[in-house]
Amino acid sequence: SQELEQSPQSLIVQEGKNLTINCTSSKTLYGLYWYKQKYGEGLIFLMMLQKGGEEKSHEKITAKLDEKKQQSSLHITASQPSHAGIYLCGAVPARNAGNMLTFGGGTRLMVKP
Amino acid sequence: DSGVTQTPKHLITATGQRVTLRCSPRSGDLSVYWYQQSLDQGLQFLIQYYNGEERAKGNILERFSAQQFPDLHSELNLSSLELGDSALYFCASSSGTSGSVDTQYFGPGTRLTVL
Repeated sequence: SQELEQSPQSLIVQEGKNLTINCTSSKTLYGLYWYKQKYGEGLIFLMMLQKGGEEKSHEKITAKLDEKKQQSSLHITASQPSHAGIYLCGAVPARNAGNMLTFGGGTRLMVKP
Repeated sequence: DSGVTQTPKHLITATGQRVTLRCSPRSGDLSVYWYQQSLDQGLQFLIQYYNGEERAKGNILERFSAQQFPDLHSELNLSSLELGDSALYFCASSSGTSGSVDTQYFGPGTRLTVL
């Protein structure tokens, strides 16, 4: 089965600093999703990447998928307290797998004002 | 607000009991997914329905079952509850377009506590 490893598991940054979260797969990723979760709440969709080398940005968050489609990174520029939460990467294991998602363990981000 | 609704928000029950969790997908979405999130197992896929039919099954226990009704809402039934079933249960929905990678939108979750 596909496993997703996220690093770091937790991160504390000063407001205004940049940061990067990584998501690595043991197998080729067919589709890679990034979600944000506030503690005990639902997941908020951030971005989806499907093609090798693809990069997407939304406001101060940029996600990339490497050419081999086995690693993705999420970069936040000039972090703000509103960026705090748990970031989860999720992947579709294979084409026509019913679109079920396998998730990484999450990265807990705290932003100090 | 993702447009996916789940009820109830919180549920407290005793071991051995049975509960039903309800999910209404976003308007127009045909696929519904159920996930379980616990501290030790993380977020795990349970089961998917597409337009009333079971589409994919994950690590769902035999004590758990689900269905999707003609109006596309879904219910997750958990029976013979054990302490270890305490978790956050999420429903997600997607358009279900065949052959493509559909973005899943998650509901706010139901927090189940088994005492």
